[in-house]
Amino acid sequence: NAGVMQNPRHLVRRRGQEARLRCSPMKGHSHVYWYRQLPEEGLKFMVYLQKENIIDESGMPKERFSAEFPKEGPSILRIQQVVRGDSAAYFCASSPRTSAYEQYFGPGTRLTVT
Amino acid sequence: AQRVTQPEKLLSVFKGAPVELKCNYSYSGSPELFWYVQYSRQRLQLLLRHISRESIKGFTADLNKGETSFHLKKPFAQEEDSAMYYCALSGQGIAQKLVFGQGTRLTINP
Repeated sequence: NAGVMQNPRHLVRRRGQEARLRCSPMKGHSHVYWYRQLPEEGLKFMVYLQKENIIDESGMPKERFSAEFPKEGPSILRIQQVVRGDSAAYFCASSPRTSAYEQYFGPGTRLTVT
Repeated sequence: AQRVTQPEKLLSVFKGAPVELKCNYSYSGSPELFWYVQYSRQRLQLLLRHISRESIKGFTADLNKGETSFHLKKPFAQEEDSAMYYCALSGQGIAQKLVFGQGTRLTINP
């Protein structure tokens, strides 16, 4: 089992461009969590998805951010019209069920907005 | 409000010395508490959870509800313990999402 995969590992975007971050869960996992880590801070919850459903998006900024987890393929976190403040590490975690302790983390995508 | 505070950003101890990483939390209810560790160039991984009350890699953590603390302890530090440590809690919400502290970078000096 290759574990949770995230790509790209590093992404550089200019202000105003779009960023697409991908998360492939572990085999057999149908639940995905996204977290964001700003510099010098801990990870902060963004959104929780099950296949084809957003269950909790209470941590998502109201504008420019969206997430999906289609029936086939990876989960996608999309940031439109990126700004410098979006520069951060974005982590996803997958789980076989709704569970706090069974979240397995990916290596993260480091987004830099120039 | 749910909050986890780790007062030390950096902690440095000598090999063989005792280690204590502090964690305090704020939550109106009965949270579940965790410690996560991230070794250099590795992924964030679960170290231990308060419910299991077990010792992992020599580390233990006791939940003190009166002081709302969940400090991580090890009696004799080893060089391989050098890593970033995050305390986290999960409430009873539908998502079981994790709330993390800011992290403590532990360095064990030889």
